[in-house]
Amino acid sequence: AQSVAQPEDQVNVAEGNPLTVKCTYSVSGNPYLFWYVQYPNRGLQFLLKYITGDNLVKGSYGFEAEFNKSQTSFHLKKPSALVSDSALYFCAVRDMYQAGTALIFGKGTTLSVSS
Amino acid sequence: DADVTQTPRNRITKTGKRIMLECSQTKGHDRMYWYRQDPGLGLRLIYYSFDVKDINKGEISDGYSVSRQAQAKFSLSLESAIPNQTALYFCATSPRQGASYEQYFGPGTRLTVT
Repeated sequence: AQSVAQPEDQVNVAEGNPLTVKCTYSVSGNPYLFWYVQYPNRGLQFLLKYITGDNLVKGSYGFEAEFNKSQTSFHLKKPSALVSDSALYFCAVRDMYQAGTALIFGKGTTLSVSS
Repeated sequence: DADVTQTPRNRITKTGKRIMLECSQTKGHDRMYWYRQDPGLGLRLIYYSFDVKDINKGEISDGYSVSRQAQAKFSLSLESAIPNQTALYFCATSPRQGASYEQYFGPGTRLTVT
């Protein structure tokens, strides 16, 4: 079965420190992976994606993610966290069976950046 | 987000009532989706549509129905609402062509069934 796991419900980091939000996946074939962010009372905003190519992908707001096929991971990273990065983050993988267009989401990780 | 709009943004309704959530988009995308978000569960797919004549059930379609009135409009109905349908509902769109695959989400509708 296809799935996405975000092992941490919450990640706490001090402003200026690097942050990592973890994601692992289980799919057959080559995964198409995504990160979204949800701010309070807002919809989900696309951050970045991995389809093919370079394992390190860069996205919006200074975020990047590293695709690791051997570890089936796609961790979200940022070198220096900002208080404004505090939000709910979702990892997602393209559903290869629902005609390959819907997304399967992880449960989300709340990122809290303290000043 | 302004390209995908949802109405209403908040709704409180009683058990057994019929309710419709509406989604409109100006992105020109063919594909539209309805998800529900529950705390600790992430987003789960309810229905999706590739065009006006192509509608498909998602993971959790029981108790829901949809209507694709036009390319730009995709409505979700709860025929007889029940309390465990209390959730945050999102509409999303994606283009048919190209390799982008990412989806674009509306602001959400917070539904409470009492």
